[in-house]
Amino acid sequence: DAKTTQPTSMDCAEGRAANLPCNHSTISGNEYVYWYRQIHSQGPQYIIHGLKNNETNEMASLIITEDRKSSTLILPHATLRDTAVYYCIVRPPAANFGNEKLTFGTGTRLTIIP
Amino acid sequence: DVKVTQSSRYLVKRTGEKVFLECVQDMDHENMFWYRQDPGLGLRLIYFSYDVKMKEKGDIPEGYSVSREKKERFSLILESASTNQTSMYLCASSLKASRGYTFGSGTRLTVV
Repeated sequence: DAKTTQPTSMDCAEGRAANLPCNHSTISGNEYVYWYRQIHSQGPQYIIHGLKNNETNEMASLIITEDRKSSTLILPHATLRDTAVYYCIVRPPAANFGNEKLTFGTGTRLTIIP
Repeated sequence: DVKVTQSSRYLVKRTGEKVFLECVQDMDHENMFWYRQDPGLGLRLIYFSYDVKMKEKGDIPEGYSVSREKKERFSLILESASTNQTSMYLCASSLKASRGYTFGSGTRLTVV
């Protein structure tokens, strides 16, 4: 699996957009970019994923650069409940046996400041 | 609306004990996973299973075994618990070929 690099920690003011970067310069053509987050004392929670195009759902937006070597997760209006560790993961298509597993790094600790 | 349930939230065991961590999911998922999480090391995959009675080693299987006798249940077994197995253990499940995992709330195991 391609390796990802994320900042160790970030702060964001409540109500502002939180932009979390992720570098994945060795990503392969068929590998997806996933984002999960882990709120303190809970299991990780799926946020969003994408391959090439930008994606948006009710939780966040995912912007993937044209060369796919980096991506940004955007939380449009951060709230205190968004304080968590955010993980960026790349992996091959889930349809291939053995590719179902996710490899988590250490993520970015995002703190929303009141 | 609980979907992945881990039997214990906190557990304290003695060195050398055989420990069972249980995980049950009610979503009819094919895949199930066990991770451990330690400060500074993130989540590391111990074992996973893609079907009943099937199992695959993850990145750190040493000292652990697993059992999947029924689709909804995936057990992690510490044959002889050691202090370096003190950790947060997280279970997850997913549909085959799905892209989303659902995690349980975790079991914090302390081996003394």
